[in-house]
Amino acid sequence: EAGVAQSPRYKIIEKRQSVAFWCNPISGHATLYWYQQILGQGPKLLIQFQNNGVVDDSQLPKDRFSAERLKGVDSTLKIQPAKLEDSAVYLCASSSGPTNTEAFFGQGTRLTVV
Amino acid sequence: KQEVTQIPAALSVPEGENLVLNCSFTDSAIYNLQWFRQDPGKGLTSLLLIQSSQREQTSGRLNASLDKSSGRSTLYIAASQPGDSATYLCAVEGNNDMRFGAGTRLTVKP
Repeated sequence: EAGVAQSPRYKIIEKRQSVAFWCNPISGHATLYWYQQILGQGPKLLIQFQNNGVVDDSQLPKDRFSAERLKGVDSTLKIQPAKLEDSAVYLCASSSGPTNTEAFFGQGTRLTVV
Repeated sequence: KQEVTQIPAALSVPEGENLVLNCSFTDSAIYNLQWFRQDPGKGLTSLLLIQSSQREQTSGRLNASLDKSSGRSTLYIAASQPGDSATYLCAVEGNNDMRFGAGTRLTVKP
């Protein structure tokens, strides 16, 4: 079974530029999560999708971050414009259901904003 | 709001030792608790998932326990090996939310 795929693995951009990350979840997984992990901290949930609907985006900085999950499969997370404090690893995860199911994570995208 | 705390933040042990990692959470209304391993520069690998109705789960040299009423979980690693060196994260799933602790960075010295 293929795991959660993310790209790119690494990205370096200047502040005020825009950037997009892509995630392909495990086949058949209806729930998809985007997490932000700042160095030395645990992952923080940014947004959770159930199929192509948003379940929770309460911690997503909506003035600069946006995410979509068209057709309930792949998802993209965008930052525009980026700030220095957005430097982090962005992790995508998926699970078969919205609650009480095991979550599987991708390798993450390491973003450096300079 | 759920708060998840992991103690200690870092741990260094000689190879062969048995060790315990701790995780505590403030809201006992949870669906499950999951332990993950994270290697440097990598994503998270799921180790064990304990449902709220369960007391413990075992996989090989790993044993995780859950005491929901006291808001605590422990991850026991038997006969530690250098390959166990990584950051261990616990995550608690509540209502529409999975919250992580900051992790324990484990180093097992040969």
